[in-house]
Amino acid sequence: GAGVSQSPSNKVTEKGKDVELRCDPISGHTALYWYRQRLGQGLEFLIYFQGNSAPDKSGLPSDRFSAERTGESVSTLTIQRTQQEDSAVYLCASSQDGESEAFFGQGTRLTVV
Amino acid sequence: AQTVTQSQPEMSVQEAETVTLSCTYDTSESDYYLFWYKQPPSRQMILVIRQEAYKQQNATENRFSVNFQKAAKSFSLKISDSQLGDAAMYFCAYRSWPGGGADGLTFGKGTHLIIQP
Repeated sequence: GAGVSQSPSNKVTEKGKDVELRCDPISGHTALYWYRQRLGQGLEFLIYFQGNSAPDKSGLPSDRFSAERTGESVSTLTIQRTQQEDSAVYLCASSQDGESEAFFGQGTRLTVV
Repeated sequence: AQTVTQSQPEMSVQEAETVTLSCTYDTSESDYYLFWYKQPPSRQMILVIRQEAYKQQNATENRFSVNFQKAAKSFSLKISDSQLGDAAMYFCAYRSWPGGGADGLTFGKGTHLIIQP
């Protein structure tokens, strides 16, 4: 596609429910990143995928968070048993090879009530 | 681990004036990249300008320029002839070289830039 696409744009969920956030990277981009942005804060790194290598999960805040990516295509970030502190904007970015410029999607605003 | 500090939570400037946003960082690496990203209300992060640490010349993109002081670990952004469309959150970011991998981009907490008409 022309840019990084994320869905849904906004998500409201009840505490304790599971949510799935989707990211469609730019076609041909081997590197994909997930970040979390809490209100009034910068971006926190969550997870990094590069091609078919094992993902770098060092930024995931707890075992309730997981992410998958099939090859060099779509990625899903799953948050299980959501908590109010999970409320944030979740941003996805992709780059051609992990060295080049990263292009960001518009994010998913998650609100846990 | 690297850290990025933006000490100005908010800045305000009159339209057509010049404004400088500050950024300092801490690293033990000698090769790296520095970036300024703009985040308008649409939430999408837009790359404004990038600087490779090995380059002594300051990067420039039209009305945007940086003052990169490697020894001082300072990387400020100057916006000349400010326009209403420049209003946004601005984030300073650091990336190791070679890039990608464990930390991706390390971001500061951002500066909210207000443009007064």
